Amino acid sequence: SQQGEEDPQALSIQEGENATMNCSYKTSINNLQWYRQNSGRGLVHLILIRSNEREKHSGRLRVTLDTSKKSSSLLITASRAADTASYFCATVHTGANSKLTFGKGITLSVRP
Amino acid sequence: DGGITQSPKYLFRKEGQNVTLSCEQNLNHDAMYWYRQDPGQGLRLIYYSQIVNDFQKGDIAEGYSVSREKKESFPLTVTSAQKNPTAFYLCASSIEGLAGGKETQYFGPGTRLLVL
Repeated sequence: SQQGEEDPQALSIQEGENATMNCSYKTSINNLQWYRQNSGRGLVHLILIRSNEREKHSGRLRVTLDTSKKSSSLLITASRAADTASYFCATVHTGANSKLTFGKGITLSVRP
Repeated sequence: DGGITQSPKYLFRKEGQNVTLSCEQNLNHDAMYWYRQDPGQGLRLIYYSQIVNDFQKGDIAEGYSVSREKKESFPLTVTSAQKNPTAFYLCASSIEGLAGGKETQYFGPGTRLLVL
């Protein structure tokens, strides 16, 4: 399976702390994306990192990509209660008809 | 406002009944997708369409059908052949299709399908 795997499955932190979420995948990728989903809602795109990039920032988000280890991490700094959501990594693998393949997600709870 | 709309928000299906989920976008995107999400799970691709009048099966197409007669619309029919239809269904669109396009997907708010 090409599906990415996130780690941990669930994470609970105090407001103001940093949250680190990891994603691993099995075959080579074109890019890797992180999405956020609030309970019962659609997904919202957070950030995209291409295979030739190692790090990207967007506001309080920092994403790294290590293609040699086939892994990525999403760091949310200075977390807020409003960051409580599920976070998914999605990979686009190289090759014909490549598609966006989602992991099972990480549930983040930020305690006020 | 630009975006993707899905209706209804909740849908109830009786045994043996076909039901159709609506997805409309005004983003002028060529590609549209349908995903199924089960509790605690990631998204699984049902069908996708890269251009009007063309669509392809995803990973779990059995028991579902789609049409793409207009660029803005990509309805999904859950047929009676789908024996376990209870799930959260998400529609998405993107600028490029799957083959060449590896960019961001924009999602609708979802439809929750329940079986009576």
